[in-house]
Amino acid sequence: DADVTQTPRNRITKTGKRIMLECSQTKGHDRMYWYRQDPGLGLRLIYYSFDVKDINKGEISDGYSVSRQAQAKFSLSLESAIPNQTALYFCATSEAGTGVEKLFFGSGTQLSVL
Amino acid sequence: GESVGLHLPTLSVQEGDNSIINCAYSNSASDYFIWYKQESGKGPQFIIDIRSNMDKRQGQRVTVLLNKTVKHLSLQIAATQPGDSAVYFCAESPGNQFYFGTGTSLTVIP
Repeated sequence: DADVTQTPRNRITKTGKRIMLECSQTKGHDRMYWYRQDPGLGLRLIYYSFDVKDINKGEISDGYSVSRQAQAKFSLSLESAIPNQTALYFCATSEAGTGVEKLFFGSGTQLSVL
Repeated sequence: GESVGLHLPTLSVQEGDNSIINCAYSNSASDYFIWYKQESGKGPQFIIDIRSNMDKRQGQRVTVLLNKTVKHLSLQIAATQPGDSAVYFCAESPGNQFYFGTGTSLTVIP
């Protein structure tokens, strides 16, 4: 979905390096999410943010941090990358609601940690 | 954690036939379900959703059926086309976040 843009599309890095994955959206949604996708596993939630001052850990937040710089921007950082963080990472957005609302995903960032 | 799975990891259908993709979920508190389509090199794309107060919902060429008694969800695609080839996965939510299945790879044979 071109409304949710992730950069870079691909990244190769070495163990121990710090990297940042960026996400921006033009959908005007308050809620933003970072997921990772591994072969044979469903999408797993890393972090999510319901507004600029709200950051919440997901089920697999260890080794990751996030920053919500603005309503439209949500970045994911790996402070010291390790090989098992090799995965496909997706940013997603959703509208605010009384519960969960459907997610709109970016095209993904394929990260390889050597 | 949640267990959201699919009965078959792959499915092949002839072009023009109907496709049925199944999903089992484990949390009886889940009240919102979504089907996503993911094409190679792309992010998941929303197809259709259904809330637990419904048993069936129809979209364009797609129908989602929800059986809360056996915690089963299915996606039916009518007159399957080559462009339908993709991985399909379901997601469930008990109200706070989504839990995703692993996906079924659908191949449409011309």
